Amino acid sequence: NAGVMQNPRHLVRRRGQEARLRCSPMKGHSHVYWYRQLPEEGLKFMVYLQKENIIDESGMPKERFSAEFPKEGPSILRIQQVVRGDSAAYFCASSPRPSSSYEQYFGPGTRLTVT
Amino acid sequence: QKEVEQNSGPLSVPEGAIASLNCTYSDRGSQSFFWYRQYSGKSPELIMFIYSNGDKEDGRFTAQLNKASQYVSLLIRDSQPSDSATYLCAVYGRRDRGSTLGRLYFGRGTQLTVWP
Repeated sequence: NAGVMQNPRHLVRRRGQEARLRCSPMKGHSHVYWYRQLPEEGLKFMVYLQKENIIDESGMPKERFSAEFPKEGPSILRIQQVVRGDSAAYFCASSPRPSSSYEQYFGPGTRLTVT
Repeated sequence: QKEVEQNSGPLSVPEGAIASLNCTYSDRGSQSFFWYRQYSGKSPELIMFIYSNGDKEDGRFTAQLNKASQYVSLLIRDSQPSDSATYLCAVYGRRDRGSTLGRLYFGRGTQLTVWP
């Protein structure tokens, strides 16, 4: 059973470009969560999605960031007009049910570097 | 603002010793509690979860939960050098008072080093 997959693993973007991060949840999991981890900081929740629905985006900056989880294909976290402060590791996690009683499993992450 | 606090570390123990990692949380309504291990440059890996007060054992790992004290801990018995990593405490709690939405809140992690 394949785990959570993310790509690319490393992404370098110049300031002002767009970054597109992809996440495919574990088989049988329909709940996807995105987190950001800055150096020397903990994981911060960004957004929670189910297929075709954004359930909770309150952890995501209101400008430049968006997320989707279409009926077909992976979940995508999009960052427009990237700035140096966006440099971080972005992790996706999935669970089979809402996480009140189910664990979340993390993908390998995408490390974004903005130059 | 929900808070999850962990001993800042770093924690250093000799091989074969017991490593004790502690975590406190601020939201009394928190429902479930998780410990993740994160090796440098890697993603978090779930190692334990606990929902009820008391102890839960899995191999060399024991998670302990005390909801009255809002405290959760992880004990690693017979520590091995391969246990050297950052351990993240995560608490599932409500986003806001009265909200049905919840999320995982993570501590900053405790760095553990097990020396041979």
